[in-house]
Amino acid sequence: KQEVTQIPAALSVPEGENLVLNCSFTDSAIYNLQWFRQDPGKGLTSLLLIQSSQREQTSGRLNASLDKSSGRSTLYIAASQPGDSATYLCAAPAGGTSYGKLTFGQGTILTVHP
Amino acid sequence: DAGVIQSPRHEVTEMGQEVTLRCKPISGHNSLFWYRQTMMRGLELLIYFNNNVPIDDSGMPEDRFSAKMPNASFSTLKIQPSEPRDSAVYFCASRELGLAEETQYFGPGTRLLVL
Repeated sequence: KQEVTQIPAALSVPEGENLVLNCSFTDSAIYNLQWFRQDPGKGLTSLLLIQSSQREQTSGRLNASLDKSSGRSTLYIAASQPGDSATYLCAAPAGGTSYGKLTFGQGTILTVHP
Repeated sequence: DAGVIQSPRHEVTEMGQEVTLRCKPISGHNSLFWYRQTMMRGLELLIYFNNNVPIDDSGMPEDRFSAKMPNASFSTLKIQPSEPRDSAVYFCASRELGLAEETQYFGPGTRLLVL
């Protein structure tokens, strides 16, 4: 059974800082890993999806890396802005033949203050 | 595209009442997921369908919960009878089956409060 853990649970930083969110998963036999963003009272929005054959993906100020052997992924946010404040969730496939079924971490609540 | 549509957005009901949540997936998507989110347990998958067929309902908490997908453009999640511990945000998500690079697209959720 896949288990996903995110550290830290919450993070508060001043605007402009570079920051790293961590995600670990127990079953490394995954075909991809995803990072989502959730704003208060809203649904989830996909940020980045890393295929198992890739080591990282970039979108603007966001960079996500994947190390299957160690069961870890990181989300790097450069030059953080107040608009980045949200909850960030990591999701890994549940494992086995459950194609498309995701297991989510508890999330990291990010606050970027001006 | 309008994205995944869920209704109602908010539901307040009394314990023992039947609750029906509705979802319209993105057109062309043939995989649909129902999730529940609470502060204590986070985001949990309840059930998912591929091509309107339930594939895995191991996350459905108990027999009071049931889900159907009568066609490719509509799904329901029903709770009967509802209990206060069912209070949560329920999300529906959809994706295109068979594409490893395809993410899931989430609806805005239904916030359920059972008194």
